[in-house]
Amino acid sequence: DAKTTQPPSMDCAEGRAANLPCNHSTISGNEYVYWYRQIHSQGPQYIIHGLKNNETNEMASLIITEDRKSSTLILPHATLRDTAVYYCIVSSQGGSEKLVFGKGTKLTVNP
Amino acid sequence: EPEVTQTPSHQVTQMGQEVILRCVPISNHLYFYWYRQILGQKVEFLVSFYNNEISEKSEIFDDQFSVERPDGSNFTLKIRSTKLEDSAMYFCASSVRGRDYGYTFGSGTRLTIV
Repeated sequence: DAKTTQPPSMDCAEGRAANLPCNHSTISGNEYVYWYRQIHSQGPQYIIHGLKNNETNEMASLIITEDRKSSTLILPHATLRDTAVYYCIVSSQGGSEKLVFGKGTKLTVNP
Repeated sequence: EPEVTQTPSHQVTQMGQEVILRCVPISNHLYFYWYRQILGQKVEFLVSFYNNEISEKSEIFDDQFSVERPDGSNFTLKIRSTKLEDSAMYFCASSVRGRDYGYTFGSGTRLTIV
């Protein structure tokens, strides 16, 4: 599975959009990008995933660059409850079911 | 919203003893997983389980670990002869059809080996 690089920490003001970047320059054609978050040692929570098209759901939007070497998770209106560690994970479809978590980005939403 | 339920929330066990961690996955889910997170470290995959058998396991999941789905609703992780380094948060997860549908994780069991 391709390696991902995320900034260790970011800050965002409450009510503003939080844009979390992820680099995955060695991603291959059949690898998906998954985003999970973990709020203070709770179990990780699935947010969104995508292959090459941009994706949106009730929680967030995922923007994947055309060359697929990077992506951005967007929380459109961050709240204090969005303070968490956000994990970008790249993994191929089929075969292994496991997720390989890195260190992620600690997002702090400030009032 | 459906939840994955884990019990107990905190377990303290003497080194060398056996421990069983319990999980009730979401009822229509078919894929089940255990992960663990040692304090301050990354979340690590242990095992995946589908169709009543282990489909994949990590190097961590050695002979002291076993999983079982004894009654069609519970999913258990057993650790025989626990060691101090087994102290961690253990997370159960389930998925309706696998990774591409997203996992739902439980809130975890904090296992402390003394």
